[in-house]
Amino acid sequence: DAGITQSPRHKVTETGTPVTLRCHQTENHRYMYWYRQDPGHGLRLIHYSYGVKDTDKGEVSDGYSVSRSKTEDFLLTLESATSSQTSVYFCAISEWRGSSSSYEQYFGPGTRLTVT
Amino acid sequence: GENVEQHPSTLSVQEGDSAVIKCTYSDSASNYFPWYKQELGKRPQLIIDIRSNVGEKKDQRIAVTLNKTAKHFSLHITETQPEDSAVYFCAAFETSYDKVIFGPGTSLSVIP
Repeated sequence: DAGITQSPRHKVTETGTPVTLRCHQTENHRYMYWYRQDPGHGLRLIHYSYGVKDTDKGEVSDGYSVSRSKTEDFLLTLESATSSQTSVYFCAISEWRGSSSSYEQYFGPGTRLTVT
Repeated sequence: GENVEQHPSTLSVQEGDSAVIKCTYSDSASNYFPWYKQELGKRPQLIIDIRSNVGEKKDQRIAVTLNKTAKHFSLHITETQPEDSAVYFCAAFETSYDKVIFGPGTSLSVIP
């Protein structure tokens, strides 16, 4: 599992409240990603980070912000949660395997967020 | 930016038959194409990948083909088994940007 954990694993919150999801990795990976997964849409990239304090937007970044103050932690914040942000959120790291020329992404276990 | 389409969205096959999932991508600069399998309630996991300088790659019952000219790539599963039932995602990756763009997924059901 490449040492990736996510917290919380499940959360129910009300519309308009702020929510922060945490991704933690223990293997000093440079690149970290946040995706959301919804039926019919697959995995859509929200934000990603290529180093401490270095982040960039993905396909569906509106309504989300991220921070990475330490290599091991990548935080995703919903400033004011809406029902459309009900989803399963996956964190991922990427690792280049030169021996097989593959660029594998390892995913965390996911966080199921429900906004009522 | 890159856009990845995937077909079919659902696929049912009899155990022992073959399954084929097809994807197209839009950015000709993409040069790496992984496939992920996600079982119910679990995280996606890489099952096979192919780079743009290779036309085909095989790993036991799974194979992937790539047509760079047409911007098509496909996953082939032979002799399907019930444990192959899952959602499969194709993806395209332009390595200099370090962003993987996923297709919407194919739900494969293998009927015993």
